[in-house]
Amino acid sequence: EVVLTQSPGTLSLSPGERATLSCRASQSVSSSYLAWYQQKPGQAPRLLIYGASSRATGIPDRFSGSGSGTDFTLTISRLEPEDFAVYYCQQYGSSLFTFGGGTKVEIK
Amino acid sequence: QVQLQESGPGLVKPSETLSLTCPVSGYSISSGYYWGWIRQPPGKGLEWIGSCFHTGITYYNPSLKSRVTISVDTSKNQFSLRLSSVTAADTAVYYCARVRLGIGFDFWGQGTLVTVSS
Repeated sequence: EVVLTQSPGTLSLSPGERATLSCRASQSVSSSYLAWYQQKPGQAPRLLIYGASSRATGIPDRFSGSGSGTDFTLTISRLEPEDFAVYYCQQYGSSLFTFGGGTKVEIK
Repeated sequence: QVQLQESGPGLVKPSETLSLTCPVSGYSISSGYYWGWIRQPPGKGLEWIGSCFHTGITYYNPSLKSRVTISVDTSKNQFSLRLSSVTAADTAVYYCARVRLGIGFDFWGQGTLVTVSS
């Protein structure tokens, strides 16, 4: 089973700043099957990025994903007030899905 | 627009079976894609429970496999979750979602809190 480790656990930033979130896999993951989600309090997660770097429908271009193998990154170029939330990475392999533990992006 | 909505009891007694259904609107389950269940204990992260295809093929989280059954009812355009022998550790918000391989979980229900308590 692939374990996804996200870091940092919490990121304290101000609006307008750049956010860089990391997702590290315990073994190599196909880039085709690496996704990122955003979750706000009381809401279901929302798909942001799929295939490691493709934005889902309606996602602003300030969100970008990159990486391959075991190291993946979600970057928010300039934080907007609505971007403060928890972010999860997720992978699919061998008919199984796993999620990372999440990174909380909070207002500094 | 694809819509999903979890339905079921909000309170289940320890050792009993948790049962939830997820009716789907805006898309026919028989047309394809996988359908999945994910849960989130209060204040914690997301855990994949399992997924099913409209043909009945299922995949389960190994840590829950012995207690989980996911099934599809194409006539009602819905899929279901049964989790047996529940304990307080199974208390969580349960989500149903559509799964597109190579994309991810692209449509989610709003989630339903299930509490395990006597």
